[in-house]
Amino acid sequence: DVKVTQSSRYLVKRTGEKVFLECVQDMDHENMFWYRQDPGLGLRLIYFSYDVKMKEKGDIPEGYSVSREKKERFSLILESASTNQTSMYLCASSPSPGTSGTWEQYFGPGTRLTVT
Amino acid sequence: GQNIDQPTEMTATEGAIVQINCTYQTSGFNGLFWYQQHAGEAPTFLSYNVLDGLEEKGRFSSFLSRSKGYSYLLLKELQMKDSASYLCAVSNDYKLSFGAGTTVTVRA
Repeated sequence: DVKVTQSSRYLVKRTGEKVFLECVQDMDHENMFWYRQDPGLGLRLIYFSYDVKMKEKGDIPEGYSVSREKKERFSLILESASTNQTSMYLCASSPSPGTSGTWEQYFGPGTRLTVT
Repeated sequence: GQNIDQPTEMTATEGAIVQINCTYQTSGFNGLFWYQQHAGEAPTFLSYNVLDGLEEKGRFSSFLSRSKGYSYLLLKELQMKDSASYLCAVSNDYKLSFGAGTTVTVRA
């Protein structure tokens, strides 16, 4: 089974702190993603990476950065946390479609971040 | 841009059938996914449609009409454990764009 793990299930940080959210996948997937999920808004893509050291902005990248130094690990960084970044953060990974033809994404359990 | 619409909430009785509709207008299309998400948990894959028509997988079926920008997820013989959010997502290469999700509540 594909396993995507995230470093914390719950996190409480203060406004202005630098926050690191870590994600690790064990299936050698090329693509990794960071989303945030808010009630009524669904999952919104923050950043994605299609290879080591490669990254692209998603729909809501402002206030976030990412790092992918190794294929299995994708980190989300909040340079200076703000209260409007309180949310559920979900990491996902997917293989390139190859013979299966799909870009199915596999999700981690999520990190509920509260910024006070 | 991406616009994916699905109802916010649906309620049904145990043993019944529920149909969750999803309409989309997107700049690219490689396929449509349905995910299930229980409260506090990660979304898990339910189904994938790339061609028009119905895909059946046990109690769950998914339909796609690309010309109409329309899909539905059909849940049959509802069980209490089916109470969850159901997410419609359109694939454009390796990017997924999600609808806001439909919360289904199954009542005894």
